Amino acid sequence: EVQLVESGEGLVQPGSSMKLSCVASGFTFSNYGMNWIRQAPKKGLEWIALIYYDSSSKYYADSVKGRFTISRDNSKNTLYLEMNSLRSEDTAMYYCARAFDYWGQGVMVTVSS
Amino acid sequence: DIQMTQSPSVLSASVGDRVTLNCKASQNINKYLNWYQQKLGEAPKLLIYNTNNLQTGIPSRFSGSGSGTDYTLTISSLQPEDVATYFCFQHNSWPFTFGSGTKLEIK
Repeated sequence: EVQLVESGEGLVQPGSSMKLSCVASGFTFSNYGMNWIRQAPKKGLEWIALIYYDSSSKYYADSVKGRFTISRDNSKNTLYLEMNSLRSEDTAMYYCARAFDYWGQGVMVTVSS
Repeated sequence: DIQMTQSPSVLSASVGDRVTLNCKASQNINKYLNWYQQKLGEAPKLLIYNTNNLQTGIPSRFSGSGSGTDYTLTISSLQPEDVATYFCFQHNSWPFTFGSGTKLEIK
């Protein structure tokens, strides 16, 4: 069974940093591109970052480019999202997703003073 | 960026009804269109990928169609458990984008 479990949720102040993790199981992690998607409270979905299976390519939404970094460790079956210079508008539920099919349950990131 | 426009934003229908949800892209997305279902408090679930392919484990009452810029999700016989918000999503070109969703309710 495919499982994706995010961690790292919390409340942080504007301008600070935070790192999310997503541990994968039930499939060969190193064979799949992985993504981060977020959903602000009572809002729609926003695709924010994609990393190829071998980390050879990474893509970002303009809203996070230059502030967020997606990475992965295939030896640990883990996907990461490092978030810097956080803003109030980054407040959202953050999901990791395998390609476009399976999603984790999400972690809440709140940016507020 | 490709804009995805879903209609209607809210749809109310009766159990057993045939329901059609629409999604229009601002440019040709070559059938790289997925549909997701999100129930309250849950993560989105993939229903249909690449326009008309039913994801494993999804009931056959769900189907998708379309081409170019216009796509539809059809539920052949609405069930109470189908109450959810449905999002379309294009993965033809970066940045990938979602529609704003159709909230499906039971009358």
